[in-house]
Amino acid sequence: DAGVIQSPRHEVTEMGQEVTLRCKPISGHDYLFWYRQTMMRGLELLIYFNNNVPIDDSGMPEDRFSAKMPNASFSTLKIQPSEPRDSAVYFCASSIRNTEAFFGQGTRLTVV
Amino acid sequence: AQSVSQHNHHVILSEAASLELGCNYSYGGTVNLFWYVQYPGQHLQLLLKYFSGDPLVKGIKGFEAEFIKSKFSFNLRKPSVQWSDTAEYFCAVLTNAGKSTFGDGTTLTVKP
Repeated sequence: DAGVIQSPRHEVTEMGQEVTLRCKPISGHDYLFWYRQTMMRGLELLIYFNNNVPIDDSGMPEDRFSAKMPNASFSTLKIQPSEPRDSAVYFCASSIRNTEAFFGQGTRLTVV
Repeated sequence: AQSVSQHNHHVILSEAASLELGCNYSYGGTVNLFWYVQYPGQHLQLLLKYFSGDPLVKGIKGFEAEFIKSKFSFNLRKPSVQWSDTAEYFCAVLTNAGKSTFGDGTTLTVKP
């Protein structure tokens, strides 16, 4: 298996634009997590899904952030409109219940 | 809600020195425990994990960790660090609800 695949690897966008980050989890994994990592705040859990259903979105910072998982092999994290303070590395991870999470390579987002 | 506390934000050691990174968690139920490593510019990778059984677990690259239930601790150790161990280390707790919580991370710098 190729592991967790995220795209794009890098994204530079202007403030106010919509940004969509994509994630393909490892086949057979039933949990999917979205994290945000910054120097100031460290690694933050934004939202996680179990069997495509959002379980806990309490980490989503604002209504500008939304996440979907239309099927077991695909998830998106959308920011609309984006702001400079959204600049961070966004990681997607997947796991089988009660086992370790496998992380993707991350998407480095820069909002100018 | 569960929480994870890593006591050291930044540790600086010389090569061959011994390492111990502290991790304490707060959760009343059964947990699985993990240490992840993030090398500069890379994603998080699993170092070791504890689910049950022997509380002293061995991971990759000579790392080990000891689970002390009475202290809610899961400290990471390595007898002799190398320059290549320079990275950020994260302790994580996984509850039976499927939610992972990470500590703030400890940055380890090993001087050659």
